[in-house]
Amino acid sequence: QQQVKQSPQSLIVQKGGISIINCAYENTAFDYFPWYQQFPGKGPALLIAIRPDVSEKKEGRFTISFNKSAKQFSLHIMDSQPGDSATYFCAASLNYGQNFVFGPGTRLSVLP
Amino acid sequence: DSGVTQTPKHLITATGQRVTLRCSPRSGDLSVYWYQQSLDQGLQFLIQYYNGEERAKGNILERFSAQQFPDLHSELNLSSLELGDSALYFCASSSRAPMLGELFFGEGSRLTVL
Repeated sequence: QQQVKQSPQSLIVQKGGISIINCAYENTAFDYFPWYQQFPGKGPALLIAIRPDVSEKKEGRFTISFNKSAKQFSLHIMDSQPGDSATYFCAASLNYGQNFVFGPGTRLSVLP
Repeated sequence: DSGVTQTPKHLITATGQRVTLRCSPRSGDLSVYWYQQSLDQGLQFLIQYYNGEERAKGNILERFSAQQFPDLHSELNLSSLELGDSALYFCASSSRAPMLGELFFGEGSRLTVL
């Protein structure tokens, strides 16, 4: 029940295209859903996050869509750029920021 | 720069040996988390400390131990090392405010066991 599933494992998108990464969870007690971005040789960094009382959150080209009834959430990257090439991790946490559980990650490659 | 400092950045050692990884959290952050990232694997939660006390435990092996000191820095001790322990070990810190829940990761310590 603590698991977060993530797909696809890898994704190749042309520059200017839309990248979509999906995550699913089982534990309805999760109350905070962040996405982390990791570049090679670096630690993950928070990209965008959402709480379950909101269905969508947008920050620039990055949007989280959240479906509470389906227990799914997704990251959309609009107008994908080569600089977006990185590994993306979805996560979920209990107690609003403690006990993080990470998905296995999606390696995104944006072709120029 | 996340403000979280990890040392050493790289470490090569032999099987059976013991190593210590060090983490200095962001100024003011009371929580420290340790994660293991193996090749092409996700982030496996090992252990969390909050203000010196163990708060949560994940898939941490008995050969591994950690502690958080009064100055809030933390150390992860890995002993009787095996080839499979080769991985990136990340430390992260967080504070309850103002950005509730955000984890700030260091750049990791890459451990290679030969």
